[in-house]
Amino acid sequence: GEDVEQSLFLSVREGDSSVINCTYTDSSSTYLYWYKQEPGAGLQLLTYIFSNMDMKQDQRLTVLLNKKDKHLSLRIADTQTGDSAIYFCAESPNLTGNQFYFGTGTSLTVIP
Amino acid sequence: EAGVTQSPTHLIKTRGQQATLRCSPISGHTSVYWYQQALGLGLQFLLWYDEGEERNRGNFPPRFSGRQFPNYSSELNVNALELEDSALYLCASSPRGGSYEQYFGPGTRLTVT
Repeated sequence: GEDVEQSLFLSVREGDSSVINCTYTDSSSTYLYWYKQEPGAGLQLLTYIFSNMDMKQDQRLTVLLNKKDKHLSLRIADTQTGDSAIYFCAESPNLTGNQFYFGTGTSLTVIP
Repeated sequence: EAGVTQSPTHLIKTRGQQATLRCSPISGHTSVYWYQQALGLGLQFLLWYDEGEERNRGNFPPRFSGRQFPNYSSELNVNALELEDSALYLCASSPRGGSYEQYFGPGTRLTVT
């Protein structure tokens, strides 16, 4: 099956930028996603990128996709304590296959 | 608009029993997905239902089963519970089969003792 890998932990100081990285193996991935999970809550879709894009920016969030290296990153500018959560990278091989493959999640801790 | 809802919030069962988890999708959504989030393992895809039919299944044994009702709500049943079934079970819905966006519920925490 497809593998989606993330580092488990990241700590940053409030106000700094956070960069969360993800690698995937399926070269046919069409959509790549970032989800946020706060303690005791379900997953919240943050942003997504189509595989024919290199970058997508949405307010404080920047997604970079290196399709050649199968590497996806999420940059959070001006990280706040409310950004502390687990961030999941996910990929979907195609629009209709409908099966998502999630990474194990990166736990982001923002130090005040 | 109400989001995806799941019940119960917590469920405690003993080994060998059966567990039933419920999910109500966002109004107008026809697809429901089930995921298992075990500690340290990330999310594992369990089942996908669309328009009342099971469309896809993850790599789980047959004792994990479910169904989707005419109102698009769904049940996940886990028979012959094992200790390693202890996990957070997440339900998600999407507007139609094949949609690239899934909206997640808060999950049901199943503990098997």
